[in-house]
Amino acid sequence: DVKVTQSSRYLVKRTGEKVFLECVQDMDHENMFWYRQDPGLGLRLIYFSYDVKMKEKGDIPEGYSVSREKKERFSLILESASTNQTSMYLCASSFGLAGGPGETQYFGPGTRLLVL
Amino acid sequence: EDQVTQSPEALRLQEGESSSLNCSYTVSGLRGLFWYRQDPGKGPEFLFTLYSAGEEKEKERLKATLTKKESFLHITAPKPEDSATYLCAVRRGGFGNEKLTFGTGTRLTIIP
Repeated sequence: DVKVTQSSRYLVKRTGEKVFLECVQDMDHENMFWYRQDPGLGLRLIYFSYDVKMKEKGDIPEGYSVSREKKERFSLILESASTNQTSMYLCASSFGLAGGPGETQYFGPGTRLLVL
Repeated sequence: EDQVTQSPEALRLQEGESSSLNCSYTVSGLRGLFWYRQDPGKGPEFLFTLYSAGEEKEKERLKATLTKKESFLHITAPKPEDSATYLCAVRRGGFGNEKLTFGTGTRLTIIP
């Protein structure tokens, strides 16, 4: 079974703090993704990575950065947390082969972040 | 821009009462349509991928179908444990297009 784990289930941070969210997958997947999920807006892609040290912006990258130093690990960084970054953050990974089951994204359990 | 619209937003059914959820999409060159189930406070759980119009996939009480403009998730004789939010997502064609565009989901409640 594919397993994607996230470092925290719940986090409470103060405005202006630097926040690190970490994601680890154990299936040797090429691609990793960070989404945020908000009521009425659905899942929106923040960043994704298709290889170590490679990253691509998603739909809403402002205020975020990412790091992928090892294949199994993908970190999301909030450089200076703001209240509008309060959200559910979801990490996903996929094998990356086109046209088949390798394209399926598997999600972690999520981190619910509250910025005060 | 790719768009996914799911309806209804919420659906309440009696146990055993079959129904369908709708996912309408606009995408340039569909490369895959994905259905996920999400329980409150948890990450989405993969259910199905459909690639071409006319394709169908089944899993227990769920059956997903695909046309050129929409997908349906049919739920037959649902049980309370089928209560969840069901999400639909699409991927467009073309090299390097790994991004999924998600709908906002249908929140399904099955009443015992």
